[in-house]
Amino acid sequence: NAGVTQTPKFQVLKTGQSMTLQCAQDMNHNSMYWYRQDPGMGLRLIYYSASEGTTDKGEVPNGYNVSRLNKREFSLRLESAAPSQTSVYFCASSPVRAATREQYFGPGTRLTVT
Amino acid sequence: DQQVKQNSPSLSVQEGRISILNCDYTNSMFDYFLWYKKYPAEGPTFLISISSIKDKNEDGRFTVFLNKSAKHLSLHIVPSQPGDSAVYFCAASANRDDKIIFGKGTRLHILP
Repeated sequence: NAGVTQTPKFQVLKTGQSMTLQCAQDMNHNSMYWYRQDPGMGLRLIYYSASEGTTDKGEVPNGYNVSRLNKREFSLRLESAAPSQTSVYFCASSPVRAATREQYFGPGTRLTVT
Repeated sequence: DQQVKQNSPSLSVQEGRISILNCDYTNSMFDYFLWYKKYPAEGPTFLISISSIKDKNEDGRFTVFLNKSAKHLSLHIVPSQPGDSAVYFCAASANRDDKIIFGKGTRLHILP
């Protein structure tokens, strides 16, 4: 049982390049999330998906797109990377309407845009 | 406007003593509160939570206190151990919403 997995672990992009961050969970959770963590800013929600086939914007969606490919996988795409998108990206999942609201996080992807 | 505030960026505590991490919130619709712990180069892990119908929840060395009238919660760690050195995030959720709002975090250093 791997929990939440993210690939890649590290990535360096040049400004204007595109890439897709992959996330998969094997806990049969309905809800999945993408966050970014910046120094002194905590975790900010980029996009989330309450169920397969649905996605919604979070606090900081500009410059990103997402795809909920199936129940297991939720990808985050940067179409034209900018230095402001240098950050650590975390994917998370949770059971729908979980009593504790607990979310399970992956290990993160450290992205640098030069 | 920050809905969940952790006003202390860092805290240093002697090993064996009590660590108290504080968190304030502004949204009165929040009905569930969580604490997450994060080590460097790892994802956050869930530590403890509390429903708004309670004022205290305890799990081993960790206790969370909720003061709804003051819109304040705190995490107590007793006794503090070296492995407790990490960043702690306070988070809150409203009305059975699956989304949670995180504070900026407090870095806890446990001193030998």
